[in-house]
Amino acid sequence: SYVLTQPPSVSVAPGKTARITCGGNNIGSKSVHWYQQKPGQAPVLVIYYDSDRPSGIPERFSGSNSGNTATLTISRVEAGDEADYYCQVWDSSSLVVFGGGTKLTVL
Amino acid sequence: QVQLQESGPGLVKPSQTLSLTCTVSGGSISSGSYYWSWIRQPAGKGLEWIGRIYTSGSTNYNPSLKSRVTISVDTSKNQFSLKLSSVTAADTAVYYCARVLGGSYAYYMDVWGKGTTVTVSS
Repeated sequence: SYVLTQPPSVSVAPGKTARITCGGNNIGSKSVHWYQQKPGQAPVLVIYYDSDRPSGIPERFSGSNSGNTATLTISRVEAGDEADYYCQVWDSSSLVVFGGGTKLTVL
Repeated sequence: QVQLQESGPGLVKPSQTLSLTCTVSGGSISSGSYYWSWIRQPAGKGLEWIGRIYTSGSTNYNPSLKSRVTISVDTSKNQFSLKLSSVTAADTAVYYCARVLGGSYAYYMDVWGKGTTVTVSS
């Protein structure tokens, strides 16, 4: 089965840039999607197809994907960005796969 | 704007069948090329995909749950449903329904319900 690996936590100061990685075997050949989940709430799609943003998602959120690592980048981090972030891909054998999630802490 | 709402018993006894329904509002479940999916999340843990259904009735399931899962759709009621049999405490989780977009082996969930908590306990 296909495995996605995320760091359990990432910390960043307000106004700085946060980078959350998602590792997987040749993940660059797949489309990666990212979700933000705040405590007690449902996940919200923030990036799809590696780097596309749904309407309503700030331009501060961006994504990239190459080789064995996909990255969600949040520029000019705000306190409201504090949340858990999950990457997700579609794999032919495992079907939908989520990463374990990364807790973003804004210092 | 499409909205999804989960409903069903919040408490299920061990060995019994968990049954949940997702009601779609703000649009027809049959319109567009959408799949409809169930995802769950145990308290303090990550997301686990359960399965998905197309309005034609075609389904795909998580291989680890496949033997216990049935997802069905009722287009007349604009609903789709989840049945998970032989539940144990490990099935205790928040259950989400979601709309699935994409194609060519690149699917993602763009609209989610708020989730419903199901506890498995005697």
